[in-house]
Amino acid sequence: EAGVTQFPSHSVIEKGQTVTLRCDPISGHDNLYWYRRVMGKEIKFLLHFVKESKQDESGMPNNRFLAERTGGTYSTLKVQPAELEDSGVYFCASSPLEGANLGSPLHFGNGTRLTVT
Amino acid sequence: LAKTTQPISMDSYEGQEVNITCSHNNIATNDYITWYQQFPSQGPRFIIQGYKTKVTNEVASLFIPADRKSSTLSLPRVSLSDTAVYYCLVGDGSSASKIIFGSGTRLSIRP
Repeated sequence: EAGVTQFPSHSVIEKGQTVTLRCDPISGHDNLYWYRRVMGKEIKFLLHFVKESKQDESGMPNNRFLAERTGGTYSTLKVQPAELEDSGVYFCASSPLEGANLGSPLHFGNGTRLTVT
Repeated sequence: LAKTTQPISMDSYEGQEVNITCSHNNIATNDYITWYQQFPSQGPRFIIQGYKTKVTNEVASLFIPADRKSSTLSLPRVSLSDTAVYYCLVGDGSSASKIIFGSGTRLSIRP
């Protein structure tokens, strides 16, 4: 089966610009997650979709970040306006069952490396 | 939130067995223990998951003592391609936001 795909793999933008990251989960996976790792820090949870609904967005850093998953398929994460501290690697993951541990491990994409200059 | 503690780094040689231990002193009754592997420029990849005693798959074994306050990931006969960062996570699956990625263990395998 095709894995989780993320686009673009790299993005370099200037402070104040807008960037939209895309994630295509594994087909049939209702659960979609966004994580990020900023420079030197640990991988941190951002939010969790179940189909098109936001199940948990407690990790979203501020209102400059907007995640959508129209139709319950692919998801986008928009950063507007981008700030320097948003630089990092943004990972998307999907799983077929709700719950990231109970027999349903997360399948991660290779991430989008975002650089804000 | 259940937090984990792992060694920051480990070194070993090809053909050796490698054991990485993770401490999770405040693990909850419903928490599972999951290990992920991450190569540079890739996302984390699921290796193994367990609740108690021992779990084995084609890649690794996971040993969990009775008190479940720690776990050990065992990689048999490692090769250079096992050089990666290994993460130990605990959580009950009730919410992905409660599953914390720690710093992981950077494993380096030498010829």
